Amino acid sequence: EPEVTQTPSHQVTQMGQEVILRCVPISNHLYFYWYRQILGQKVEFLVSFYNNEISEKSEIFDDQFSVERPDGSNFTLKIRSTKLEDSAMYFCASSEREATDTQYFGPGTRLTVL
Amino acid sequence: AQSVTQPDIHITVSEGASLELRCNYSYGATPYLFWYVQSPGQGLQLLLKYFSGDTLVQGIKGFEAEFKRSQSSFNLRKPSVHWSDAAEYFCAVGAMDTGRRALTFGSGTRLQVQP
Repeated sequence: EPEVTQTPSHQVTQMGQEVILRCVPISNHLYFYWYRQILGQKVEFLVSFYNNEISEKSEIFDDQFSVERPDGSNFTLKIRSTKLEDSAMYFCASSEREATDTQYFGPGTRLTVL
Repeated sequence: AQSVTQPDIHITVSEGASLELRCNYSYGATPYLFWYVQSPGQGLQLLLKYFSGDTLVQGIKGFEAEFKRSQSSFNLRKPSVHWSDAAEYFCAVGAMDTGRRALTFGSGTRLQVQP
């Protein structure tokens, strides 16, 4: 069964450093998403991406964040200058065409900012 | 804006017992409702979803959920719990009727199964 994959599973970085989280969505999917879950808190939507542009973003997704589909398979989330409060589990998801199509989630990347 | 409340942070049931996990939502229009499960080290797996039609929705692994508009609820049920059901369960709501795709999640309920 096709699945969303994410690398790395755990990333540790120093405050102020740039990090790139990587995701490989399901191959025939057209919409891609990033969510995050700070420890002990809810899963929160960050951004959705379609046709090589952001289609929707939350207030969390400020100028420190960017997303990119650098090739036909990868989808990345970049945090330019990490803060302590960026420590969280980051989930990538993908879905087919319709808004009501299921979003399939990857296993997540745990980001720890020291 | 939509919101989801899962009143139970942690539930423990005995294997073979029935299960009901509560979910209440707040949304002004037709909600699109989901239950996801997360096992340790795994991503969020969809159990079931409700968009319209029959208010009793069947999902994978023997789960079902009932949409009750009058109570703004979408509770998840299973008649007989198995040890492998131990996991964290998330209820989510979407506003797909507006064209938005962002899901709003509840805080989750952690299920522990006793032998």
